[in-house]
Amino acid sequence: GENVEQHPSTLSVQEGDSAVIKCTYSDSASNYFPWYKQELGKGPQLIIDIRSNVGEKKDQRIAVTLNKTAKHFSLHITETQPEDSAVYFCAAKGPNFNKFYFGSGTKLNVKP
Amino acid sequence: EAGVTQSPTHLIKTRGQQVTLRCSPISGHTSVYWYQQALGLGLQFLLWYDEGEERNRGNFPPRFSGRQFPNYSSELNVNALELEDSALYLCASSLAPLAVYNEQFFGPGTRLTVL
Repeated sequence: GENVEQHPSTLSVQEGDSAVIKCTYSDSASNYFPWYKQELGKGPQLIIDIRSNVGEKKDQRIAVTLNKTAKHFSLHITETQPEDSAVYFCAAKGPNFNKFYFGSGTKLNVKP
Repeated sequence: EAGVTQSPTHLIKTRGQQVTLRCSPISGHTSVYWYQQALGLGLQFLLWYDEGEERNRGNFPPRFSGRQFPNYSSELNVNALELEDSALYLCASSLAPLAVYNEQFFGPGTRLTVL
């Protein structure tokens, strides 16, 4: 089955700096890669996703890149703000099943 | 439009007891997923239901079971509770699996503590 690895496990940045979280996956058939943000005491919320036929996607301060050859994808947050502090999860899903494989999470701390 | 709802919010049980968690998906969603999130860890896939049938199961013992009702709501049952079952149990829903790219929407979770 699929195996998703996520790094780093914790990330601390100064407000206004950029943050990058990286994930690798093992199954080349995976074709959908969402990113979730989980705030304390809440369920994960989808913040951005990318499909295997796209190399990059942006939504305001958030961007995701996908390298299918290397089987890795990354989340980029620019101009970080204290409210970006949360745990971020990457995930991967293949085309023939509805099972999502999640990374272990990255705790992002944005210092004011 | 209401999101995914879960009940109860918190639950405290003792070892050996049984527990039932409930989930109502977003209106129109037929697929329901259950995940276990132990403290400080990632999400571990438990079960996937669609159209009332169990479609896939994660690497969990048989004492974890569930069902999906005709209205697409779902229950997760855990028998013979063990201390390591203490976790946040998350439910998510999505559109029918025939859709190629399915977004999952998560509920707020049920925090289960086993003493």
